[in-house]
Amino acid sequence: SQTIHQWPATLVQPVGSPLSLECTVEGTSNPNLYWYRQAAGRGLQLLFYSVGIGQISSEVPQNLSASRPQDRQFILSSKKLLLSDSGFYLCAFQQFFGPGTRLTVL
Amino acid sequence: GEDVEQSLFLSVREGDSSVINCTYTDSSSTYLYWYKQEPGAGLQLLTYIFSNMDMKQDQRLTVLLNKKDKHLSLRIADTQTGDSAIYFCAERRGGGYNKLIFGAGTRLAVHP
Repeated sequence: SQTIHQWPATLVQPVGSPLSLECTVEGTSNPNLYWYRQAAGRGLQLLFYSVGIGQISSEVPQNLSASRPQDRQFILSSKKLLLSDSGFYLCAFQQFFGPGTRLTVL
Repeated sequence: GEDVEQSLFLSVREGDSSVINCTYTDSSSTYLYWYKQEPGAGLQLLTYIFSNMDMKQDQRLTVLLNKKDKHLSLRIADTQTGDSAIYFCAERRGGGYNKLIFGAGTRLAVHP
């Protein structure tokens, strides 16, 4: 069965600092991977999806970017965080979600 | 539009049944899902139903799908305090990457 790892679990960063969140998947190959964000008290919004190494599609314009350097690795990044980037970030494979990273930007 | 809609809050007494409702928009959606989120935690997949089914039962959970009205419901029998959480419905859209569209979630509060 597939396992999705995310780290870190929680992160507090100042405005203007860079960001790197990592997601890795075990137990599958060539997966479609997704990054979702959940703002406080809201549902989930799809940010990026990737169908393979180096292939990234963005759903919404934003301050974030994503990369897929390896088949089972998906990274979410920012060069300069904004307050509005705070939220709960979830990586997904098919309908399964990782444990999430809670990001607070101060 | 893209909206999946849910009522925001439901309060039930312990031992009663809970029914959480959801409406979706895309008649071509292939699967519909129910997720549970406890405070501070990620999303736990509870159950799902394929779009050509009307009903699916899994222990205390019953999913009903009315495809004509694009209405999905989740019934939890004998609701317990441990069922208190936020419940999200989601539809899987077709296309090249099969993205999930989520509702805003229904907060279920179970009281004695």
